Amino acid sequence: DTEVTQTPKHLVMGMTNKKSLKCEQHMGHRAMYWYKQKAKKPPELMFVYSYEKLSINESVPSRFSPECPNSSLLNLHLHALQPEDSALYLCASSQTLAKETQYFGPGTRLLVL
Amino acid sequence: KQEVTQIPAALSVPEGENLVLNCSFTDSAIYNLQWFRQDPGKGLTSLLLIQSSQREQTSGRLNASLDKSSGRSTLYIAASQPGDSATYLCAVISSGSARQLTFGSGTQLTVLP
Repeated sequence: DTEVTQTPKHLVMGMTNKKSLKCEQHMGHRAMYWYKQKAKKPPELMFVYSYEKLSINESVPSRFSPECPNSSLLNLHLHALQPEDSALYLCASSQTLAKETQYFGPGTRLLVL
Repeated sequence: KQEVTQIPAALSVPEGENLVLNCSFTDSAIYNLQWFRQDPGKGLTSLLLIQSSQREQTSGRLNASLDKSSGRSTLYIAASQPGDSATYLCAVISSGSARQLTFGSGTQLTVLP
């Protein structure tokens, strides 16, 4: 099973809402990633977790708050977002942070009104 | 800072043609290079991973080559089919990047029936 699942598929939220994105993998991977992708642009790295600890934060605004409650699950909590945060949010995982293939989920399409 | 460039940005070919997608990177100190496919509004599917010590990888009709010294990779697609239509992204993990993927902007491929 090389699947990374993400829920929800689509999300519409207002600027005062609080919502969460969820990512799950059961491949035993110990590195998990959040990316943001705007239309016709490549994915941009936001956060990296390694062995459930935050390893990299690419200077992401605090209105995005990641959480890794266990080795299979990665959340992204959203609060007070701006319309420019509308994008496709992709989760990925890899065996470790070493020279491994990253497997991507289908993404959550987020629209902030 | 690693920069990845993909040329052309878009390509349209008739079904059955063999084609080559190009990727170049500025820093040859890489761990690996990965080719992905992305369908509109969807996540990324890993196609091929080439480790820095390898020269090429093959999967079915796909062949990816890597020339680290010149900072180039090519993705060769044989006997193209309409189902190959997608955006193809190349990404590298640089030696000094804490295992982060740096993506190119992608080549949007259309295979005409």
